[in-house]
Amino acid sequence: DVKVTQSSRYLVKRTGEKVFLECVQDMDHENMFWYRQDPGLGLRLIYFSYDVKMKEKGDIPEGYSVSREKKERFSLILESASTNQTSMYLCASSMQGIGVQYFGAGTRLSVL
Amino acid sequence: GENVEQHPSTLSVQEGDSAVIKCTYSDSASNYFPWYKQELGKRPQLIIDIRSNVGEKKDQRIAVTLNKTAKHFSLHITETQPEDSAVYFCAASILEGAQKLVFGQGTRLTINP
Repeated sequence: DVKVTQSSRYLVKRTGEKVFLECVQDMDHENMFWYRQDPGLGLRLIYFSYDVKMKEKGDIPEGYSVSREKKERFSLILESASTNQTSMYLCASSMQGIGVQYFGAGTRLSVL
Repeated sequence: GENVEQHPSTLSVQEGDSAVIKCTYSDSASNYFPWYKQELGKRPQLIIDIRSNVGEKKDQRIAVTLNKTAKHFSLHITETQPEDSAVYFCAASILEGAQKLVFGQGTRLTINP
């Protein structure tokens, strides 16, 4: 079974803090994705990566950055957390040429 | 870019009845259309998908239909059961390049006993 692991289920941070969300997959997938999930808005793509050190902006990249130094790990960084970044964050991975994405359990981030 | 609209946002059906969720997409180049189910407190999981060279696909009580001309696709669940209660998301993608998915807004399906 594909395993996508997010480092934290719940996080509480203060406005202005730098926040790191970590995601690790164990299936040697080329593609990795970060989404945020808000009620009524579905899953919106923040950033994605199709190879090590490669990254592309998704639909809502403002206020976020990412890092992919190793194939199995994709990190989402909030440089200066704001209250409007309070949300559920989901990581996913997929194999090149195969559309199916496998999701992590999610990190619920609260920014106070 | 691609835009996916999903309706309805909430759907309540009696156990044993059928449920239909509809999505439209804007990019005629999209050729892959998955459906994900997210139970309360759990991660989204793929339940069925369809590629643009196929008009319909079935898996037991679940079916998906695709109309490329009209750019819409639908999820059909027959003989609904309480465990079908969840949020369902449709998505559209191009299976070349980055293969990113564009999701609909989600449908909260409730099965009433």
